[in-house]
Amino acid sequence: GDSVTQMEGPVTLSEEAFLTINCTYTATGYPSLFWYVQYPGEGLQLLLKATKADDKGSNKGFEATYRKETTSFHLEKGSVQVSDSAVYFCALSGALYGQNFVFGPGTRLSVLP
Amino acid sequence: DGGITQSPKYLFRKEGQNVTLSCEQNLNHDAMYWYRQDPGQGLRLIYYSQIVNDFQKGDIAEGYSVSREKKESFPLTVTSAQKNPTAFYLCASSIASGANVLTFGAGSRLTVL
Repeated sequence: GDSVTQMEGPVTLSEEAFLTINCTYTATGYPSLFWYVQYPGEGLQLLLKATKADDKGSNKGFEATYRKETTSFHLEKGSVQVSDSAVYFCALSGALYGQNFVFGPGTRLSVLP
Repeated sequence: DGGITQSPKYLFRKEGQNVTLSCEQNLNHDAMYWYRQDPGQGLRLIYYSQIVNDFQKGDIAEGYSVSREKKESFPLTVTSAQKNPTAFYLCASSIASGANVLTFGAGSRLTVL
């Protein structure tokens, strides 16, 4: 079945450092790819998405590019802030409805001032 | 503002008791979902519903029940048959077609005493 693998955390960075969180996937067909973010005690929020190969999703300084050849969707940010501390989930959806969403285990990011 | 409201935020239950978690959305979304989140794990799908009066089991439906009598509401009952119910429960919704993005509520944390 479909699956998502993320780099294990926690990841601890200093403010203004460069962030990369790796995400690779296994899926049949051509899934849509997502990054969701979860702040402490809250639900998940959509951070960015890409629906086809070579698409780049971006939001709030975060970027990820849909790489079909490497089946990857790595999340990057050039300069992290303390407010970026959260858990980040990579996910894919291979169908029209959300019931086929597959989530990775999440990567906890802590940014120190 | 449109969104998903989950209640209660925190709930404590004695063993052997059924509890019901509320999920209400005013986004006019057709599809609704319940996920379970355990520490260090991704989200696992419990039940989903694409239309009123219809719902399907997800990956971990045993010990749970749902109803979908109204488009806006999708309550989840955690029954005494659920062997390990302590977890964070997330409700989500999506439009019936197109972007297939999930919108999440803030979650309900259930603790069994």
